[in-house]
Amino acid sequence: QQQVKQSPQSLIVQKGGISIINCAYENTAFDYFPWYQQFPGKGPALLIAIRPDVSEKKEGRFTISFNKSAKQFSLHIMDSQPGDSATYFCAASNTDKLIFGTGTRLQVFP
Amino acid sequence: SAVISQKPSRDICQRGTSLTIQCQVDSQVTMMFWYRQQPGQSLTLIATANQGSEATYESGFVIDKFPISRPNLTFSTLTVSNMSPEDSSIYLCSVIILGQPQHFGDGTRLSIL
Repeated sequence: QQQVKQSPQSLIVQKGGISIINCAYENTAFDYFPWYQQFPGKGPALLIAIRPDVSEKKEGRFTISFNKSAKQFSLHIMDSQPGDSATYFCAASNTDKLIFGTGTRLQVFP
Repeated sequence: SAVISQKPSRDICQRGTSLTIQCQVDSQVTMMFWYRQQPGQSLTLIATANQGSEATYESGFVIDKFPISRPNLTFSTLTVSNMSPEDSSIYLCSVIILGQPQHFGDGTRLSIL
């Protein structure tokens, strides 16, 4: 019940395209859903986060869509750029401890 | 956001030895955590480092293998004891400063021969 399932495992997108990464959770007590971006050799960096009282949050080219009834949330990267090539992790929490998804390796080709 | 310094950034160790990883933060933090990221894998929480008391370990992790200290609000150490090749991972320190999201250091890349 503590798991967060993430898909796809890897994603290849052309420059300018939309990248979509999906996550699903089971624990209805989770109340914080962040996305982290990790470049090789670096620690994960918070990209955007949402709480379940809203269905969507947008920051620049990054949007989280949240479906509370389905217990799913997704990250949309609009106008994907080669600099977005990284590994993306969704996470969930109802305390200060984060439960991470399995990660998605995104490659954006020019 | 806080600046988190982890030392060493990487190391290669012999099996059976122990290594202590340091995490120094430039701000007083509310909470500190240690995570493990095995090659190509996700992050798994090892323990919460509690100031002045024993760390709180997650299922599958024990104090004898991963002793943790946190003597003050800005510093913590994680020791990986009696290392085996299965301990080859990235070990990451993360912190929460009041009112801010959890923030990660760049990690310590550990290889065991």
